[in-house]
Amino acid sequence: GENVEQHPSTLSVQEGDSAVIKCTYSDSASNYFPWYKQELGKRPQLIIDIRSNVGEKKDQRIAVTLNKTAKHFSLHITETQPEDSAVYFCAAEGGTDKLIFGTGTRLQVFP
Amino acid sequence: DAGVTQSPTHLIKTRGQHVTLRCSPISGHKSVSWYQQVLGQGPQFIFQYYEKEERGRGNFPDRFSARQFPNYSSELNVNALLLGDSALYLCASRKGGTTNTEAFFGQGTRLTVV
Repeated sequence: GENVEQHPSTLSVQEGDSAVIKCTYSDSASNYFPWYKQELGKRPQLIIDIRSNVGEKKDQRIAVTLNKTAKHFSLHITETQPEDSAVYFCAAEGGTDKLIFGTGTRLQVFP
Repeated sequence: DAGVTQSPTHLIKTRGQHVTLRCSPISGHKSVSWYQQVLGQGPQFIFQYYEKEERGRGNFPDRFSARQFPNYSSELNVNALLLGDSALYLCASRKGGTTNTEAFFGQGTRLTVV
């Protein structure tokens, strides 16, 4: 069945360092890959997304890369700040409005 | 503009009871999906409705049902509650009609079954 694996489950970095979170999906029909940030007790919020016709997308300190052949996509956060601390979820979607989420990565940025 | 709103925000129920959760999508959004998020895990897809029709169903038992109303709001119903149904239930709305558009989540309903 459809599955998204996400690594690592926890990630601790020093402020100013970079953070990388990786996901692998199983459904070759997947063509939309959003990333959500969820702070404690709050709703998931979209931070960046990428579609299958694009290999990389960047928005200020955040970038996402997609390798469709390998079924991998990654989130890169540069110059991390304490307010980046949260749980990050990757997701994959095919031709239906059904998001398959990864298990989440708890990112802690230490000042 | 108001975002996606869900009610109630918190709920405590006893095993075997029934619960109804409500969701109002963003104005103009016709697609509503429901997700269950167990503590420490990613959201799991339960249902998707578009134009009042069920378009997708996740791997959940028949105790879970939903519907969408003419104003595009939606209800999620869970019968015969089990302890394992304790979770955060999230509603997401999208414009619909085209795929791969941003899903906006509500703040969720935290259900505790005792």
